[in-house]
Amino acid sequence: AQRVTQPEKLLSVFKGAPVELKCNYSYSGSPELFWYVQYSRQRLQLLLRHISRESIKGFTADLNKGETSFHLKKPFAQEEDSAMYYCALRFYNQGGKLIFGQGTELSVKP
Amino acid sequence: SQTIHQWPATLVQPVGSPLSLECTVEGTSNPNLYWYRQAAGRGLQLLFYSVGIGQISSEVPQNLSASRPQDRQFILSSKKLLLSDSGFYLCAWSLELGGFNTEAFFGQGTRLTVV
Repeated sequence: AQRVTQPEKLLSVFKGAPVELKCNYSYSGSPELFWYVQYSRQRLQLLLRHISRESIKGFTADLNKGETSFHLKKPFAQEEDSAMYYCALRFYNQGGKLIFGQGTELSVKP
Repeated sequence: SQTIHQWPATLVQPVGSPLSLECTVEGTSNPNLYWYRQAAGRGLQLLFYSVGIGQISSEVPQNLSASRPQDRQFILSSKKLLLSDSGFYLCAWSLELGGFNTEAFFGQGTRLTVV
């Protein structure tokens, strides 16, 4: 079955520490993966997508097909990074629907 | 520019009452539309998606239904609400352009509490 798994519900780090939010997926086709972020009192919004291969707000994520992972990383966390992060997998030919992981709440302490 | 509107922002309804949540998209045409529910500890669950007027795909069996009476209007309904229908409901849209899908854009959401 196709699914996205984020094993950590809560990740708490200190400012300046490295961050890694884990995401694993199960998909029979060629995956298209995303990270979405929801800051307090704001809409869920796209952070980055694997096909773009870009760094957004210092975050990067590399698709590892061998390990079926798409972990989100940042070398030095900032307090403004505190938010809810969701990993998502897009299905082809099904209206572009996305399925999401359970989400990881990142808390960056001063 | 494109925008998405959801209303109401919050709703408190008694068990057994009907539900109608509305979502509209402006500034684009023929979007793919989605309804998600965000429940505590369960992440974002896809409920329905639609690729065109009158075309609804249901992802999970439940007490809810969806309709798309117009190109940019997506409605989530229930005839009789259950306590378990409480949650945060999000509408979203994306575009399919030549086989390529844009990112999904989300509304502000509706907080539904069934009492």
